Amino acid sequence: AQKVTQAQTEISVVEKEDVTLDCVYETRDTTYYLFWYKQPPSGELVFLIRRNSFDEQNEISGRYSWNFQKSTSSFNFTITASQVVDSAVYFCALSEPDSNYQLIWGAGTKLIIKP
Amino acid sequence: DTGVSQNPRHKITKRGQNVTFRCDPISEHNRLYWYRQTLGQGPEFLTYFQNEAQLEKSRLLSDRFSAERPKGSFSTLEIQRTEQGDSAMYLCASSPNTGELFFGEGSRLTVL
Repeated sequence: AQKVTQAQTEISVVEKEDVTLDCVYETRDTTYYLFWYKQPPSGELVFLIRRNSFDEQNEISGRYSWNFQKSTSSFNFTITASQVVDSAVYFCALSEPDSNYQLIWGAGTKLIIKP
Repeated sequence: DTGVSQNPRHKITKRGQNVTFRCDPISEHNRLYWYRQTLGQGPEFLTYFQNEAQLEKSRLLSDRFSAERPKGSFSTLEIQRTEQGDSAMYLCASSPNTGELFFGEGSRLTVL
């Protein structure tokens, strides 16, 4: 069965520190997609990245970077030089074409960036 | 295009009343999803449309819940005889056939 685990319930760091959010997934399919979404206090889910199972290249977007490792079934998210505006709940999710791309969500990690 | 739009953003109702939420997806997206999110949890899948066809429903979607997407455009989610356990954020998302979901801001329901 598919499953996404975000073991870190809450992380608190001081502004400008780097922080890594962990995500471990389980799936039996060879084709799948992994996602990260941000949910700020306003409540809207903001899409950050989608990665397909055949692309293990790490990705960097500004201060954000993602490390996808199929060998450990992990898709970790790092924020470099964190800012107060990064404070939010971050969700990792998994989808598979055979499931109509229905997202399987992790429980989320609440990130608190202190000034 | 301004993205996925949901209304009302907030709804407070008394137990036993019916409520309806509307979702306007991104116009060129043929897939539409409804999710429910309670405090401190990740979203839970409720139902999925491809164009006007409702192709999948979660077992979470009891008989009191019904969703429609006439003409494959906007969608409505109706909850009949609301219960306090229905209090949650109801999220709509639309998607092209890429597996990438774009979410609206959600409709928060409070049942008193």
